[in-house]
Amino acid sequence: ETGVTQTPRHLVMGMTNKKSLKCEQHLGHNAMYWYKQSAKKPLELMFVYNFKEQTENNSVPSRFSPECPNSSHLFLHLHTLQPEDSALYLCASSQDWGLGSAAFFGQGTRLTVV
Amino acid sequence: GENVEQHPSTLSVQEGDSAVIKCTYSDSASNYFPWYKQELGKGSQLIIDIRSNVGEKKDQRIAVTLNKTAKHFSLHITETQPEDSAVYFCAASPSGGSYIPTFGRGTSLIVHP
Repeated sequence: ETGVTQTPRHLVMGMTNKKSLKCEQHLGHNAMYWYKQSAKKPLELMFVYNFKEQTENNSVPSRFSPECPNSSHLFLHLHTLQPEDSALYLCASSQDWGLGSAAFFGQGTRLTVV
Repeated sequence: GENVEQHPSTLSVQEGDSAVIKCTYSDSASNYFPWYKQELGKGSQLIIDIRSNVGEKKDQRIAVTLNKTAKHFSLHITETQPEDSAVYFCAASPSGGSYIPTFGRGTSLIVHP
């Protein structure tokens, strides 16, 4: 149990669908992150939230829309995705943002866009 | 920006042997270097980390060394076991700003019984 829970674990969606990924942590962390892991590529940072405020948007296309209603929950809303968006999407959290604190990752959602 | 190179991409060892994974980084401002283990079907787990004020850190069979001058750091696993088989990622994080690590491409470690 990593303390960071992601749902669903697997998702198959068509290019015209709208779906959401959910991430939840009860570690008392203040910062949460979305990462994308594609085959044979390094982990790519997508979004950073610190105290529910978005602090980073790493040039992510608008078809990915994050939402952080509170410090424990993070969503990634997906719409009109492309097949190249198929990847493992990882959520992470850390105690603080800016102090080099360790990040804890969820198990990821394996997304397939058909 | 930071660039992290990780080698090798795959590493196959016999049970009981040692395994070494090496990473280099480009930004001299980086001062925090975590290592993550990603097992199939599980999330990435932080297994060990090191900060730039120390040169080596050990935790049972796992150790990490850091050479700031050369800008490289390594993960050492001794007495490997089949359950050590996983993908290992190194990362580097700059100081004085946000914790946004740059990850290496990962090393797939296979420990044969």
